[in-house]
Amino acid sequence: DIVMTQTPLSSSVTLGQPASISCRSSQSLVHSDGDTKLSWLHQRPGQPPKLLIYEISKRFSGVPDRFSGSGAGTDFTLKISRVEPDDVGVYYCVQATQYPHTFGQGTKLEIK
Amino acid sequence: QVQLVQSGAEVKKPGASVKVSCKASGFLADGVAWVRQAPGQGLEWMGWIHVYNGDTNYAHKFQDRVTMTIDTSTHTAYMEVTSLRSDDTAIYYCARRGPQYMDVWGKGTTVTVSS
Repeated sequence: DIVMTQTPLSSSVTLGQPASISCRSSQSLVHSDGDTKLSWLHQRPGQPPKLLIYEISKRFSGVPDRFSGSGAGTDFTLKISRVEPDDVGVYYCVQATQYPHTFGQGTKLEIK
Repeated sequence: QVQLVQSGAEVKKPGASVKVSCKASGFLADGVAWVRQAPGQGLEWMGWIHVYNGDTNYAHKFQDRVTMTIDTSTHTAYMEVTSLRSDDTAIYYCARRGPQYMDVWGKGTTVTVSS
């Protein structure tokens, strides 16, 4: 199985400041169809997860452009340019290149 | 906007089975994935079912105890777990799998396994 490793596991950020989360996979996430199936989800406390980013860098409908995804191969990054109060919660990366699909451990974002 | 409505909370004894439903208000796209979250823990992918041919793919640890089915006439997906254990206590989510991956999520079904 592909292991997804996120760093840091928690982050405390001042409002208006940037935040960055790293996700590393144990093997390349380039699919046989040429796409890289790496997504980012956000889960607020007591809520189901929501899709933020898919295929490394494509923002899902309605996601503010403060959120951006980047990376290739085995190393990926989610960046928030200016953290807002609604951004608190846990962020997960997930790979859908190979079965079984696997999640990172999650990164908890708090406001300082 | 498609919504996924899941069945209500369940309390089961060890060794029992539970079947959770997930009804879509519209297009199911490619299929339905199931993800669970134990109390205070992260997300765990359980598997998914293809909407058109019923093909399934399960995570290894669930292959013997989990069955996913789909009723296309009612746009409803089901996920059954047998031989429940206390460590199956979790929130079970369904999510629509489309071109953008898991783009719509249900609110979750809490399953508690306790004697």
